[in-house]
Amino acid sequence: AQSVAQPEDQVNVAEGNPLTVKCTYSVSGNPYLFWYVQYPNRGLQFLLKYITGDNLVKGSYGFEAEFNKSQTSFHLKKPSALVSDSALYFCAVRDRRDDKIIFGKGTRLHILP
Amino acid sequence: GAVVSQHPSRVICKSGTSVKIECRSLDFQATTMFWYRQFPKQSLMLMATSNEGSKATYEQGVEKDKFLINHASLTLSTLTVTSAHPEDSSFYICSAPHPLANYGYTFGSGTRLTVV
Repeated sequence: AQSVAQPEDQVNVAEGNPLTVKCTYSVSGNPYLFWYVQYPNRGLQFLLKYITGDNLVKGSYGFEAEFNKSQTSFHLKKPSALVSDSALYFCAVRDRRDDKIIFGKGTRLHILP
Repeated sequence: GAVVSQHPSRVICKSGTSVKIECRSLDFQATTMFWYRQFPKQSLMLMATSNEGSKATYEQGVEKDKFLINHASLTLSTLTVTSAHPEDSSFYICSAPHPLANYGYTFGSGTRLTVV
């Protein structure tokens, strides 16, 4: 069965520092991987995706993620955090067989001013 | 582009009544719509997949008769919570695959349902 793990419930980072939000996955075959961000009482906003190609994927708002096949990881990163980056972040994997998206439990990111 | 419009954004209803949530794809045709439920501080749980012109597919443990899903057209999918109870209070989100976004998905803005 396909699954996504986000080991951290919450990540605290000082503004201006680099941030990393961790994600590991378990899939059969080649994965389609996504990162989404959710602000309070809002739907999910797409940040970036990995389908194929370069392992380093650049996305919205200065975020990027690195696909690491050997470690089955897809960590989200940003070189310099902003207070406005504070939100709930979801890693997700798409099941190629039926188009379903499976979400990790989410990681709450707090950027401290 | 690739907008899914979800309404209402918030609804409060009395126990025993039914509530309908609509999701419309505004600039593309959505043959498939996914419905999720999100509990406070938790991840999104897939409830069901609606397909235009056919019956929805429900995930294990989701009551079909309680959460009625209709996908009558290529731009509209609805979720009706029937005979709502306080435990149905939650945040409901719809999502559709966007054909122009290379496997991307677009999400509605969510509906906060409170049953009193």
